[in-house]
Amino acid sequence: EVKLVESGGAVVQPGGSLRLSCAASGFTFGQYTIHWVRLPPGRGPEWVSSISYDGADSYHADSVKGRFTIFRDNNKRSLYLEMKTLRIEDTALYYCVKGAGQQQVLHYFDHWGQGTLVTVSS
Amino acid sequence: DIVLTQSPVTLSVSPGERATLSCKASQSISRNLAWYQHKPGQAPRLLIYDISTRATDIPARFSGSGSGTEFKLTISSLQSEDFAIYYCQQYSNWPPVFTFGPGTKVDIK
Repeated sequence: EVKLVESGGAVVQPGGSLRLSCAASGFTFGQYTIHWVRLPPGRGPEWVSSISYDGADSYHADSVKGRFTIFRDNNKRSLYLEMKTLRIEDTALYYCVKGAGQQQVLHYFDHWGQGTLVTVSS
Repeated sequence: DIVLTQSPVTLSVSPGERATLSCKASQSISRNLAWYQHKPGQAPRLLIYDISTRATDIPARFSGSGSGTEFKLTISSLQSEDFAIYYCQQYSNWPPVFTFGPGTKVDIK
């Protein structure tokens, strides 16, 4: 069974930093692109970042480019999101999401975690 | 970036009735469209990918159709467990910018 378990969400002040983690199990982690997708309150999902199966390539939404960094440790079967200079509009439930295509980036998402809540507030 | 719009915002349906949800893209996305179901407190679940292919263990009452820029998700006979929010998503452009629609909430009439 595929499992994705996020952690690290917290309440932070604007301008602050946070690191989210995702622990994966139930599939060959090092063969799949993994993504972060967030769900802001009252809105639809927003793609945040993606990282290729081997960690060589990463992609970020314009809204977080230069502030967020995605990285992974395939030996630990873990994904991370380093978040800096946080803004109020970054408030959301953050999901770790598995891409469906082996070694492919451009694919639909076949498994989602339960999410971890990030609240940016003064 | 490709923008997805969904309609209606809310769909009130009685159990056993048919529900049809719409998703429109701002430009052609070929077959690169998926649908997800989301219930509060749960992980979103993949229903349909590549416009019309049901994901693993998804009941046959869920079907997807469309082409180019206009797509539909149909639930043929709504069950109590189907009341949820439904999102469409495109995975078409390179470099990747995955976009989602704002969602359609299906609630009990």
